[in-house]
Amino acid sequence: SYVLIQPPSVSVAPGETARFTCGGNNVAFQSVHWYQQKPGQAPVLVICYDNDRPSGIPERFSGSSSGNTATLTISRVEAGDEADYYCQVWDGGSDHWVFGGGTKLTVL
Amino acid sequence: EVQLVESGGGLVQPGGSLRLSCAASGFNFNNFWMSWVRQAPGKGLEWVANIKRDGSEIYYVDSVKGRFTISRDNAKHSLFLQMNSLRAEDTAVYYCTTLEKGPFGKFDDWGQGTLVTVSS
Repeated sequence: SYVLIQPPSVSVAPGETARFTCGGNNVAFQSVHWYQQKPGQAPVLVICYDNDRPSGIPERFSGSSSGNTATLTISRVEAGDEADYYCQVWDGGSDHWVFGGGTKLTVL
Repeated sequence: EVQLVESGGGLVQPGGSLRLSCAASGFNFNNFWMSWVRQAPGKGLEWVANIKRDGSEIYYVDSVKGRFTISRDNAKHSLFLQMNSLRAEDTAVYYCTTLEKGPFGKFDDWGQGTLVTVSS
């Protein structure tokens, strides 16, 4: 089955740029969606279809995808961005919806 | 405003059964695929099951096939998950979500989740 690999943690200072990678075989050919989950809360969709922002999501959030890596970028990081971030795709080969293991963002 | 309210979680012994419900409001329930996604304590998200708008297509993660059954009642705007032969590894918060258009789609809206604990 399809596997998405995410690093366990990312740390940045306020105002800097945070980048989250999501590795998968030819992931650039998939539609990648990204979710933010703050402690004790349900996940929230922040990027869909590689680089679309749902309404209400700040422009600081953006996405890209190339080859075997999809990337979520948060510019001008704020303390309120501290959360776990998950990527997700649909695996047509197995008809399974797949999440990456998640990356924890720490704002220093 | 979309609202998804899960209920039915609790403590159950291994081998037992539980039925989760999700009450939906604020959107045209009949037009949406629906899903269950779970999260074990301290772990990541795991997709569990999907059901198409009219119930004609259903998908499960391999680990729950034959034990869990997803269903819906469009007249009552409700989603269900019947869980049988429960195992310790099924312990998790279970989220009800909308799934935009099925394959390739995204989990747009999420409930707050209901905790299922499988333990003796």
